[in-house]
Amino acid sequence: QKEVEQNSGPLSVPEGAIASLNCTYSDRGSQSFFWYRQYSGKSPELIMFIYSNGDKEDGRFTAQLNKASQYVSLLIRDSQPSDSATYLCAVSRDDKIIFGKGTRLHILP
Amino acid sequence: GAGVSQTPSNKVTEKGKYVELRCDPISGHTALYWYRQSLGQGPEFLIYFQGTGAADDSGLPNDRFFAVRPEGSVSTLKIQRTERGDSAVYLCASSLAGYSEAFFGQGTRLTVV
Repeated sequence: QKEVEQNSGPLSVPEGAIASLNCTYSDRGSQSFFWYRQYSGKSPELIMFIYSNGDKEDGRFTAQLNKASQYVSLLIRDSQPSDSATYLCAVSRDDKIIFGKGTRLHILP
Repeated sequence: GAGVSQTPSNKVTEKGKYVELRCDPISGHTALYWYRQSLGQGPEFLIYFQGTGAADDSGLPNDRFFAVRPEGSVSTLKIQRTERGDSAVYLCASSLAGYSEAFFGQGTRLTVV
């Protein structure tokens, strides 16, 4: 079982709709959870981090964490064409940060 | 500088040669990470430093790969006897502490021909 799993996509979402990205992780001792956005040919850019169960909102982005289910999600409201990118889920335990393969998101104009 | 700086941005080397990739983290960040990313894949963990010491080097693929961070700031990733399979983008990230969010440099694209 891979440590961090994501659906590779592509996930196609109409402009203005909500994009929902999901991630599961295998290590129950994981402590910190991150979402990065990566445009083609660029390095990953941090967009959200969450440490506690529940929801965390920042502008159009909401991160959701359920440690019992070992599940992290990212919601993007009012999706824009500029949100088209690969979204990487990352999980940290004992300070080692492990990434999933990423989900390609395509916002349809 | 304000962000993580990696040099060179591109490196082309011949198979069998030795290369060094440099990472200058954000000032004050004690944690430093090296990753390798191939096309269509997520960043693959290589090594993590806390200060000057390698806290976790379990991701280094073999003994041709080595990394140092002698003064707890700049780090160098060293690859001996490069192979074509080493071609990838090598990413460096730093964070204020090991459990906090990490910020990436622009990466070094290594091509072994």
